[in-house]
Amino acid sequence: EAGVTQFPSHSVIEKGQTVTLRCDPISGHDNLYWYRRVMGKEIKFLLHFVKESKQDESGMPNNRFLAERTGGTYSTLKVQPAELEDSGVYFCASSHRQVPGANVLTFGAGSRLTVL
Amino acid sequence: AQKVTQAQTEISVVEKEDVTLDCVYETRDTTYYLFWYKQPPSGELVFLIRRNSFDEQNEISGRYSWNFQKSTSSFNFTITASQVVDSAVYFCALSGGSSNTGKLIFGQGTTLQVKP
Repeated sequence: EAGVTQFPSHSVIEKGQTVTLRCDPISGHDNLYWYRRVMGKEIKFLLHFVKESKQDESGMPNNRFLAERTGGTYSTLKVQPAELEDSGVYFCASSHRQVPGANVLTFGAGSRLTVL
Repeated sequence: AQKVTQAQTEISVVEKEDVTLDCVYETRDTTYYLFWYKQPPSGELVFLIRRNSFDEQNEISGRYSWNFQKSTSSFNFTITASQVVDSAVYFCALSGGSSNTGKLIFGQGTTLQVKP
């Protein structure tokens, strides 16, 4: 079984530019989560999809961040326009259990974003 | 509010030493889950263990053991006879609540360096 795949692994952009991160979850996993770790701090929740629907987006920092999961398969996270404080590692995770609270999330290797 | 604290930012040991990584959590939920994840240099978060709040039995898996104590709200992780391959960042995490969606609350992580 293929794991959670994230692309790109590392992106370096200028402040004000746009970046789109992609996550391919494990096939059949309805739950998809985005997290972010900034500068060695804790990994923070951004949002949760169940299939194509946003279940919880309480962690999204502001309206410069847009997440989509069309068709309930892969997901994209767009940052537009990027700011310096957006630098960090963005993790995607997925799970399939119908009782998500008991889930073990499978994480990808993360996409490192550097905003100059 | 839920919170996870990993007070040890960095730990350095010499190979074959035992090492304990501390994790203290806060929650008002009666049903919750605790997790440990390992992040090796390759970047992905690797699941190590999940514990539910009703199971206080300690667990041992090879050189790894976990001590869950509800009385002190702690879920500590011990590596016995550490090896260089154990060098990684270790994260403790919590999920819970009546509407548990699987969202994880992470601690800040402990960087473990095992020197040969």
